[in-house]
Amino acid sequence: GENVGLHLPTLSVQEGDNSIINCAYSNSASDYFIWYKQESGKGPQFIIDIRSNMDKRQGQRVTVLLNKTVKHLSLQIAATQPGDSAVYFCLNDYKLSFGAGTTVTVRA
Amino acid sequence: SAVISQKPSRDICQRGTSLTIQCQVDSQVTMMFWYRQQPGQSLTLIATANQGSEATYESGFVIDKFPISRPNLTFSTLTVSNMSPEDSSIYLCSVEERPGTGGANTGELFFGEGSRLTVL
Repeated sequence: GENVGLHLPTLSVQEGDNSIINCAYSNSASDYFIWYKQESGKGPQFIIDIRSNMDKRQGQRVTVLLNKTVKHLSLQIAATQPGDSAVYFCLNDYKLSFGAGTTVTVRA
Repeated sequence: SAVISQKPSRDICQRGTSLTIQCQVDSQVTMMFWYRQQPGQSLTLIATANQGSEATYESGFVIDKFPISRPNLTFSTLTVSNMSPEDSSIYLCSVEERPGTGGANTGELFFGEGSRLTVL
């Protein structure tokens, strides 16, 4: 399975600012990646996905960037809101996750 | 989207005992997955459970320790056997409701709320 951690375990961001969360992966065979959000006491929820033939995909207030050269995945959240406070982590198409996740805390 | 119910939501268990976690889905799904999430950690895939076949376990997990049942397309159980404090964790059931438009293995995973086990 994957064995590469995230760049930052925690991220504190001011409400209204943009957030950037990163993942690094080691398995070049991964063809598909998903970002999940997990609020305290709840199960993870799907945010956005991206296939390896893309380098960018946009959703509502979120953008995922994929850099296959350096095996790096990032999630950008625009205009971060208090409801975005959660743990964020990424999974690949083998249903394996990378690292321990990034805990995002939004400051009012 | 699939709705997943897990039981128990939490439990405190004694060392050496076993506990079975139930996962009920409100729709028929082919693939179900069991994860462990230890404190401060991300998800670790334990096994994949498909109806009509034996579960497929990831490296580091064995059937004797984590027996899984999958009697039909809406239900699965995970048993944590002969528990030790190191088994204290959140155990999550998830399903891939349908393959994504990109083909196999690109479906969205839906997760249950998790079962938080504390082993004393």
